[in-house]
Amino acid sequence: QQQVKQSPQSLIVQKGGIPIINCAYENTAFDYFPWYQQFPGKGPALLIAIRPDVSEKKEGRFTISFNKSAKQFSLHIMDSQPGDSATYFCAAPRTTDSWGKFQFGAGTQVVVTP
Amino acid sequence: DADVTQTPRNRITKTGKRIMLECSQTKGHDRMYWYRQDPGLGLRLIYYSFDVKDINKGEISDGYSVSRQAQAKFSLSLESAIPNQTALYFCATSEPGPSFTGELFFGEGSRLTVL
Repeated sequence: QQQVKQSPQSLIVQKGGIPIINCAYENTAFDYFPWYQQFPGKGPALLIAIRPDVSEKKEGRFTISFNKSAKQFSLHIMDSQPGDSATYFCAAPRTTDSWGKFQFGAGTQVVVTP
Repeated sequence: DADVTQTPRNRITKTGKRIMLECSQTKGHDRMYWYRQDPGLGLRLIYYSFDVKDINKGEISDGYSVSRQAQAKFSLSLESAIPNQTALYFCATSEPGPSFTGELFFGEGSRLTVL
C-alpha cells in the first residue's frame, strides 16, 4: 500500500510567482500519478497526470516533474494567477492495478496574491 | 446538470442514526468510488465498485457499507453514525482500465456532521 507525503501544507505567492508543491511516494511506480485542484465547495478536478516512465509533462502553465529514482514528483505553477488559488492534491496508485484507487497526499493550500 | 450528482449536499445527524449518501452519474462509467476528505488527511478511499456485481473495500471501510443499485447509482451508508465520521464525502467515477489516464470525475461532495 502506497503512502504519499505532500509538502508544504500551505503556500502564499505573489502573482507571477512559481509555487512548487512536492510529493514523495514509497512503493513501486506504476500507472498514472495525477495532481488534482480543488476550489472551496467543489469536488477535486484533475489538473495534470504523468506516467512514471516520463520525467516531465507540461500542460499550459502547469508542469509535473517526476523523479523515479528518488520516488518524488512535484507540481510547478508557472506565472501564477489569483485564479490559481486553490488546494492541490497529489496522488499515487495504490497497487499495480489501481485504475483509480489512489493514495492522496494531505493537500497544499495555495494562495496567489494580486 | 453535473455528470456526478451527490445527495444530500449537507446533512446534520445524531450519533447512532442510519445515514445514506447517494450518488448518481451520467458519464456511463462502470467504475465508481467513495472517498472521504478530512482536513490534513487528504482523501481516503472507503469503497469502490468496478461494475454492478463488484464491490470492494478500500482503505477505511469499517463503519460503512455500500450498494450498487445500477451502473449509474452507488450509495454509501453509515449504519450507526458516530462523531468521527463527520467529514466531507465524495463520490467519483473513472474510465475502465485500458482507457484510464489518471482522471477521477468527482461529485461536489456531501458534507456530513454527526453530533
